[in-house]
Amino acid sequence: EPEVTQTPSHQVTQMGQEVILRCVPISNHLYFYWYRQILGQKVEFLVSFYNNEISEKSEIFDDQFSVERPDGSNFTLKIRSTKLEDSAMYFCASMATGGSGNEQFFGPGTRLTVL
Amino acid sequence: AQSVTQLDSQVPVFEEAPVELRCNYSSSVSVYLFWYVQYPNQGLQLLLKYLSGSTLVKGINGFEAEFNKSQTSFHLRKPSVHISDTAEYFCAVRVTGGGNKLTFGTGTQLKVEL
Repeated sequence: EPEVTQTPSHQVTQMGQEVILRCVPISNHLYFYWYRQILGQKVEFLVSFYNNEISEKSEIFDDQFSVERPDGSNFTLKIRSTKLEDSAMYFCASMATGGSGNEQFFGPGTRLTVL
Repeated sequence: AQSVTQLDSQVPVFEEAPVELRCNYSSSVSVYLFWYVQYPNQGLQLLLKYLSGSTLVKGINGFEAEFNKSQTSFHLRKPSVHISDTAEYFCAVRVTGGGNKLTFGTGTQLKVEL
């Protein structure tokens, strides 16, 4: 069964460093998302991506964040200068087609720890 | 804006007992409702969803949920749980006809004991 994969499973970095979180969405899916969950808090929407551009982003997704689909299979989230408060579990998701009722398929997450 | 409240952070239950995980939402517009489950070291998996029609929705693994518009609730139930149901359960909403982002609750950890 096709699934969304994410690498690495755990990333430890120093404050101020750049990190890139990688996701491989399900093949032929067209919509891509990043969510994050700070320990003990809600899963929060970060950004959605369609047709090679951001379609929606939350207020969390500031200039320190960027997304890219560099090669037609990977979907990456870059944090330019990490802060302590960026420590969280980051989930990637993909969806086949548009429509609010369609299912988003989630990856297992990358746990980012900023020291 | 939408919000989701899951009133119980942890629910312990004995195997073969029934369980209800509570979810309430707030929204000024119509929403679709979802329950996701997360097993240890895995991604979020869709259990069931309510889009329209019958307010009682059946999902995978014997779970069901009932949409109650007047109480703005979407509680998840299972008549008899198994050890394998131990996981984190997330309720989520998405605005109908709008963007595709999901708004999640804080999750409920279901722990099934022998």
